[in-house]
Amino acid sequence: EAQVTQNPRYLITVTGKKLTVTCSQNMNHEYMSWYRQDPGLGLRQIYYSMNVEVTDKGDVPEGYKVSRKEKRNFPLILESPSPNQTSLYFCASSLFAQPLDLNQPQHFGDGTRLSIL
Amino acid sequence: GQQLNQSPQSMFIQEGEDVSMNCTSSSIFNTWLWYKQDPGEGPVLLIALYKAGELTSNGRLTAQFGITRKDSFLNISASIPSDVGIYFCAGQKQGGSEKLVFGKGTKLTVNP
Repeated sequence: EAQVTQNPRYLITVTGKKLTVTCSQNMNHEYMSWYRQDPGLGLRQIYYSMNVEVTDKGDVPEGYKVSRKEKRNFPLILESPSPNQTSLYFCASSLFAQPLDLNQPQHFGDGTRLSIL
Repeated sequence: GQQLNQSPQSMFIQEGEDVSMNCTSSSIFNTWLWYKQDPGEGPVLLIALYKAGELTSNGRLTAQFGITRKDSFLNISASIPSDVGIYFCAGQKQGGSEKLVFGKGTKLTVNP
């Protein structure tokens, strides 16, 4: 089954304690992306990756790092989390960044809810 | 960062009614996408549009890519309770490495 798997699904942690949210896809997709979703702001792209070892900043990259050492994994790293990073995070993947059509949609994970105290 | 202007923010309708929502931008987009998000889940792609003026249907859903390439609308006909959710538009400017920009969403409530 085609899947994008994020872990953990929920995390409550404290300011400054480094954390990593993992994302793995089993579809051999080239394009992967991280979004955060906040009430009233919709989805905002944090980072994306066109392929292995190729990553680019999205709209809101500050305070985040990513890596793409293998095609299937795209972890999101918060080196020193702060309360303004409390959010719902989604990882997504697609075969290519463009075109995105119904035959090759962008698959989203189920989300990771982070609370930074 | 740039976002799309999506309206309305929320809608409360009766089952059977038609629904219309739209997205506008000051920038030109080459691709318009419409997603639906159910509670506790990630967004799911409903319709993808690639050409100005394109009108595409997916069941009871119809979406159009505006002629100016700066807007798109989504219509849902004869709404049913399972249409409840948040609908997002998204745009992409160029092929290749350009990032995807999302609207803030339209929350749809359907009363049986």
